[in-house]
Amino acid sequence: GQQLNQSPQSMFIQEGEDVSMNCTSSSIFNTWLWYKQDPGEGPVLLIALYKAGELTSNGRLTAQFGITRKDSFLNISASIPSDVGIYFCAGPTGSGNTGKLIFGQGTTLQVKP
Amino acid sequence: DSGVTQTPKHLITATGQRVTLRCSPRSGDLSVYWYQQSLDQGLQFLIQYYNGEERAKGNILERFSAQQFPDLHSELNLSSLELGDSALYFCASSAENTEAFFGQGTRLTVV
Repeated sequence: GQQLNQSPQSMFIQEGEDVSMNCTSSSIFNTWLWYKQDPGEGPVLLIALYKAGELTSNGRLTAQFGITRKDSFLNISASIPSDVGIYFCAGPTGSGNTGKLIFGQGTTLQVKP
Repeated sequence: DSGVTQTPKHLITATGQRVTLRCSPRSGDLSVYWYQQSLDQGLQFLIQYYNGEERAKGNILERFSAQQFPDLHSELNLSSLELGDSALYFCASSAENTEAFFGQGTRLTVV
């Protein structure tokens, strides 16, 4: 079945550093989503990508939809302590069904002040 | 605040028992989705309801069932609970062809 592989599994960085994480799949996705989950909270949508090659920013976050439609990456620039959390990539598994998602395993980010 | 409300936030129950988790979607959203998050399986889609009707099913156990009421709130019923059912259960909602917004979850502990 479909599977999303995220890397790295975890990162421990210094405040101010840039961060990069990616997500790959064996199958094609028409939409890529990036969510962040804080402890004790539900996932919050950060960025949605709809077109191969698309590069989208949301503040210090930038995400790209890979040309092959089988991968995506998320960059965080100038990290701050509140960036701590788990970052998930996700993609819809149903045709036109935007909420039936498959999630990657997550990248846990820790930021040292 | 996503606008999706889940109750209760925490639930502790014994094996063999039955519990009901409740979700109120964002105003106007017709679709409700239920997800389970466990340490070994990650975030997994369970089931979707759209305007009262079941629309999609994932890896939902037969011991679990859901429904969506006319006022669009949804309930997830978990029965004959086992230790392995301990997890975070999330509800999400969306409008047609838009992204889903997640609630804060219910943490279920089966002892």
